Amino acid sequence: DAGVTQSPTHLIKTRGQHVTLRCSPISGHKSVSWYQQVLGQGPQFIFQYYEKEERGRGNFPDRFSARQFPNYSSELNVNALLLGDSALYLCASSLATSTDTQYFGPGTRLTVL
Amino acid sequence: GENVEQHPSTLSVQEGDSAVIKCTYSDSASNYFPWYKQELGKRPQLIIDIRSNVGEKKDQRIAVTLNKTAKHFSLHITETQPEDSAVYFCAASTPSGTYKYIFGTGTRLKVLA
Repeated sequence: DAGVTQSPTHLIKTRGQHVTLRCSPISGHKSVSWYQQVLGQGPQFIFQYYEKEERGRGNFPDRFSARQFPNYSSELNVNALLLGDSALYLCASSLATSTDTQYFGPGTRLTVL
Repeated sequence: GENVEQHPSTLSVQEGDSAVIKCTYSDSASNYFPWYKQELGKRPQLIIDIRSNVGEKKDQRIAVTLNKTAKHFSLHITETQPEDSAVYFCAASTPSGTYKYIFGTGTRLKVLA
């Protein structure tokens, strides 16, 4: 799991702005999932991508979007930021499907003012 | 929709005692059940997992049991140590349809020296 990297580490934005978060999976892993973790709660599933295709989506508004690149890295985009979007955004890497073991990155701490 | 309930939300034990955390899932198609440990400010770390074709799995002081009929699974930590203090999350994953992990709400374990 030490191979999953995310950038940036911390980010401060204001309401209405847009943000892009990045994730690089463990070498050889083809699936990336994104989670939102609000302080004191469990991770909430946002997206899973496998082989550049969206394979799963959680209950998040259309302001949230993502994509996966040919090298299997991924971006999470959030538009029109709200105060409630402040959270730790975690990326998880796995070999293929959601029933493969997922390894988490260190996360990006997003603060919306 | 799919749901995972986790109990208790907080648990305090004396060093050397055992700790048990229980989770109940709603989707009978779920077939993979990982447990994660998350220390303050750090990423979730996989500590043990079990698949639906197995009833119990053990790794040193940690064990997980699965009851498919009742749709619940439990984490057992024996001979607890202060470094076991953390937040523990269970999760359930389903192989078909929309890929996703559903996480429980977490259990804050405190091991008192």
